[in-house]
Amino acid sequence: AQKVTQAQTEISVVEKEDVTLDCVYETRDTTYYLFWYKQPPSGELVFLIRRNSFDEQNEISGRYSWNFQKSTSSFNFTITASQVVDSAVYFCALSEWAGGGNKLTFGTGTQLKVEL
Amino acid sequence: GAVVSQHPSRVICKSGTSVKIECRSLDFQATTMFWYRQFPKQSLMLMATSNEGSKATYEQGVEKDKFLINHASLTLSTLTVTSAHPEDSSFYICSARQGAIGTEAFFGQGTRLTVV
Repeated sequence: AQKVTQAQTEISVVEKEDVTLDCVYETRDTTYYLFWYKQPPSGELVFLIRRNSFDEQNEISGRYSWNFQKSTSSFNFTITASQVVDSAVYFCALSEWAGGGNKLTFGTGTQLKVEL
Repeated sequence: GAVVSQHPSRVICKSGTSVKIECRSLDFQATTMFWYRQFPKQSLMLMATSNEGSKATYEQGVEKDKFLINHASLTLSTLTVTSAHPEDSSFYICSARQGAIGTEAFFGQGTRLTVV
């Protein structure tokens, strides 16, 4: 069964600090997909990134970067020079190719608060 | 990214009545749509998965007679909460996926249902 753990319930930082959101996953499939979504106070989930299990290259998109390490089953998300607009709940999610039954399993989310 | 429109964004209804929530993919055809429920400060709980033209697959513990899902076309899915009760009050979110397992799903804005 697929499982996603986001151990950090809430993180508070001061603007311009860097912050890393942790995500650890469990799966028996060799083919799977990992995602990060952002949920601002308005409620809509915003897609940030998708990574398949065969691509361990780290990715950078502006102030966002992702570190995928299969050896530790982690897919961590770093925001550099955080801004108040980054305040939101961030969800890591996993989809298995074969064993997941077509589902996207979410972690419990990390509430990020960026203060001035 | 692709756009998924969910309507209404907020609804208040009386106990015992039924409420219909619509989810539309605006610029793509969604092979699969998902319905989630989210309680305050909690993660998303998958309620059901639907493919166009076929019956929805409900998750364990979700009453299919209470939460009716219709996926009539490749761009529209509806969730009807029948005989709503106060405990059905929640945030309901739909998502739509264009491709196969592993492709990103895009989310609607969510519907805040309050049953009084």
